[in-house]
Amino acid sequence: DTGVSQDPRHKITKRGQNVTFRCDPISEHNRLYWYRQTLGQGPEFLTYFQNEAQLEKSRLLSDRFSAERPKGSFSTLEIQRTEQGDSAMYLCASSSEGTGAFFGQGTRLTVV
Amino acid sequence: DQQVKQNSPSLSVQEGRISILNCDYTNSMFDYFLWYKKYPAEGPTFLISISSIKDKNEDGRFTVFLNKSAKHLSLHIVPSQPGDSAVYFCAASGINNAGNMLTFGGGTRLMVKP
Repeated sequence: DTGVSQDPRHKITKRGQNVTFRCDPISEHNRLYWYRQTLGQGPEFLTYFQNEAQLEKSRLLSDRFSAERPKGSFSTLEIQRTEQGDSAMYLCASSSEGTGAFFGQGTRLTVV
Repeated sequence: DQQVKQNSPSLSVQEGRISILNCDYTNSMFDYFLWYKKYPAEGPTFLISISSIKDKNEDGRFTVFLNKSAKHLSLHIVPSQPGDSAVYFCAASGINNAGNMLTFGGGTRLMVKP
């Protein structure tokens, strides 16, 4: 296992389109997180899964955003009707009890 | 309300010297603190962490100091190397944070000059 994997690395989409990102966590980690980072800022928490259960969602996660982790392994983050303000780096991280969070390389979204 | 703050957006240090990056927090429920390093177009890489029951943790060239009364932590890098040039984020979590989700500071860009 080489770490947290995210796909795609980059996505350019037109405003109004839907996009979906995938995250494959470190296999033995039961916790999975999504963060968003904009230029000049630190990552901001979006949502958290423990196994397949989504246990926490940030106020930042509007109704256009939905995340799933159907089998407690990989996760997807979908953004519907994208807006220019959604342009950011979307980071996935995983951890287990007693470990720090390990991040993937992120998906850079550009909405034009 | 920014619960974790890194007040220095950038820091420039000569190779071989000490780099000191600072971080302040406001939430007294935070009990675990981490430092991450980030290169452009990559995700943050975990560097070092410290629990609130300690005031110092050392790992090679990296040492993190925690002053709970001042709600302040710092990362010391000695000696600094050009490869350390990156953006450094401090992050905090607490017992009330679901699954230990992290609250990040805004980052400090470290430039180590050869």
